[in-house]
Amino acid sequence: AQTVTQSQPEMSVQEAETVTLSCTYDTSESDYYLFWYKQPPSRQMILVIRQEAYKQQNATENRFSVNFQKAAKSFSLKISDSQLGDAAMYFCASLDSGAGSYQLTFGKGTKLSVIP
Amino acid sequence: DTGVSQDPRHKITKRGQNVTFRCDPISEHNRLYWYRQTLGQGPEFLTYFQNEAQLEKSRLLSDRFSAERPKGSFSTLEIQRTEQGDSAMYLCASSIPGILREKLFFGSGTQLSVL
Repeated sequence: AQTVTQSQPEMSVQEAETVTLSCTYDTSESDYYLFWYKQPPSRQMILVIRQEAYKQQNATENRFSVNFQKAAKSFSLKISDSQLGDAAMYFCASLDSGAGSYQLTFGKGTKLSVIP
Repeated sequence: DTGVSQDPRHKITKRGQNVTFRCDPISEHNRLYWYRQTLGQGPEFLTYFQNEAQLEKSRLLSDRFSAERPKGSFSTLEIQRTEQGDSAMYLCASSIPGILREKLFFGSGTQLSVL
């Protein structure tokens, strides 16, 4: 079974500054995917960024990037040049891709506030 | 195409009543998922369909819960004899096979309150 841990219930960042959200995971599989999802007050979960475990290169999507440390089972999200629209709940999630399962396992989330 | 649609957005019911939620996935998506999210928690997997076949069910899906996806299009999630512990947001998501198969598109959820 997979577990995903987000140790920061809340974080805040000044507009235009950079913030890093932490995530650790545990899995016995060698082939898996990791995700960061954003959930704004509208409640719709939106995929921010995705990382395949077999890729050593860290994924980037515009202002969003990850620091994937496979040996440490760590997967942090860095948001650069933070904007007011980045304020939301952020969930880290994992998926075992080799077992034929399609269950995403989510962490408890980090609430990000952006200060103008 | 406006994305994954869920109906109703909110549902208030009394304990012991039955409720049914509907999810309309993105039209070309053959995979459909149901998740449940309680306050202060991340979503938890309930069940997964590929076309009309229900291929995976979580232990969270007790015998009071039933999900269907007739004809591989929309899906319904029914909860019989609701309990206060069923109060949660029920999220639906869909995806397509291929290189984007792990990219789930979520709806805005149905918020259930059991009084």
